[in-house]
Amino acid sequence: EAGVTQFPSHSVIEKGQTVTLRCDPISGHDNLYWYRRVMGKEIKFLLHFVKESKQDESGMPNNRFLAERTGGTYSTLKVQPAELEDSGVYFCASSQGGGRTQPQHFGDGTRLSIL
Amino acid sequence: GQQVMQIPQYQHVQEGEDFTTYCNSSTTLSNIQWYKQRPGGHPVFLIQLVKSGEVKKQKRLTFQFGEAKKNSSLHITATQTTDVGTYFCRAGNNRKLIWGLGTSLAVNP
Repeated sequence: EAGVTQFPSHSVIEKGQTVTLRCDPISGHDNLYWYRRVMGKEIKFLLHFVKESKQDESGMPNNRFLAERTGGTYSTLKVQPAELEDSGVYFCASSQGGGRTQPQHFGDGTRLSIL
Repeated sequence: GQQVMQIPQYQHVQEGEDFTTYCNSSTTLSNIQWYKQRPGGHPVFLIQLVKSGEVKKQKRLTFQFGEAKKNSSLHITATQTTDVGTYFCRAGNNRKLIWGLGTSLAVNP
């Protein structure tokens, strides 16, 4: 079984530019999560999709972040325009169910650096 | 708001020494999960605890859920260099799931 894959693995862009991150969850997993971890900080929840619907987007920092999951398969997270504080590692995770007891399977993350 | 405190933030041990990380909540939890992230890697699910006072073991790792379901611990017996990484707890209550800050473990060979 293929795991959660994320692309790109690294991205370095200048402040004000746009970046789009992609996540392909494990096949059959309806639940998809985006997280961000800044060095030395906790894993911060951004949002949760169930299929193509946003179940919870309470963690999205502001309207510069846009997440989509058209068709309920892969998801994209676009940052436009990027700011310095957006730097960090963006993880995607998927799970079969969405309940609190479901373990999540993480991708390797996208390391985003804003210059 | 709801917080999960994970301590210590860092721990440096000699290979063969024991290691423990604690996850504490001010409110009762419904469940707790533990994850390990190797340097440069991604969090990997280790185990889940649901019942009050539950204890689970995975080889040299022992996971415990407190009787009041407000705290949990992960104990590693006789650490090895392969144990290096950051250990996260992910705690659930009736409203949401919260990640701890993580405990970074370094092991000197």
